[in-house]
Amino acid sequence: DSGVTQTPKHLITATGQRVTLRCSPRSGDLSVYWYQQSLDQGLQFLIQYYNGEERAKGNILERFSAQQFPDLHSELNLSSLELGDSALYFCASSVAGDNQETQYFGPGTRLLVL
Amino acid sequence: SQQGEEDPQALSIQEGENATMNCSYKTSINNLQWYRQNSGRGLVHLILIRSNEREKHSGRLRVTLDTSKKSSSLLITASRAADTASYFCATDGGFKTIFGAGTRLFVKA
Repeated sequence: DSGVTQTPKHLITATGQRVTLRCSPRSGDLSVYWYQQSLDQGLQFLIQYYNGEERAKGNILERFSAQQFPDLHSELNLSSLELGDSALYFCASSVAGDNQETQYFGPGTRLLVL
Repeated sequence: SQQGEEDPQALSIQEGENATMNCSYKTSINNLQWYRQNSGRGLVHLILIRSNEREKHSGRLRVTLDTSKKSSSLLITASRAADTASYFCATDGGFKTIFGAGTRLFVKA
């Protein structure tokens, strides 16, 4: 158990809908990362937050947004969902957001868009 | 793309044999990390090697780094069925961590 929690574990929804994925980092970690893992694209970095502020942006679509709250939990919002958004979404956390640190991954949320 | 590439894509070996996986990347790095992912689960950090290091060991794991060739290898010695998983290399790209496509390792008991 990494100490990172993600909810829900599974999510099934329809195209055009909007969903929110939630992540709670390890106790003491200030940085949160979001990744998307699909069969054809592999593990793609989406976005990173550090202590409530956006620190780095990756291949995140404009339909997707995220935020980190004062209690350091983070939410990833996916809107106008398309079939191709079906994937595993992972959250990871680290102490200071330095890319030389170990990232601790949550168990993921499996999203299926029908 | 700055994404690293693992080689081979898939590897099947017998328990007790050694498994070697390779990773190549495209840009200069400060460090390279290896992660393991059991089917459908989150990634677990295995080892980090800095750009000024050439080799690092952790238990049955041995990682080498050749910055001149922009490549790294992960060796798992005396493999066990429990080592069956996907293995990813990850490089630092500014503030981003960039993962390769992974090597799927299957260890037959």
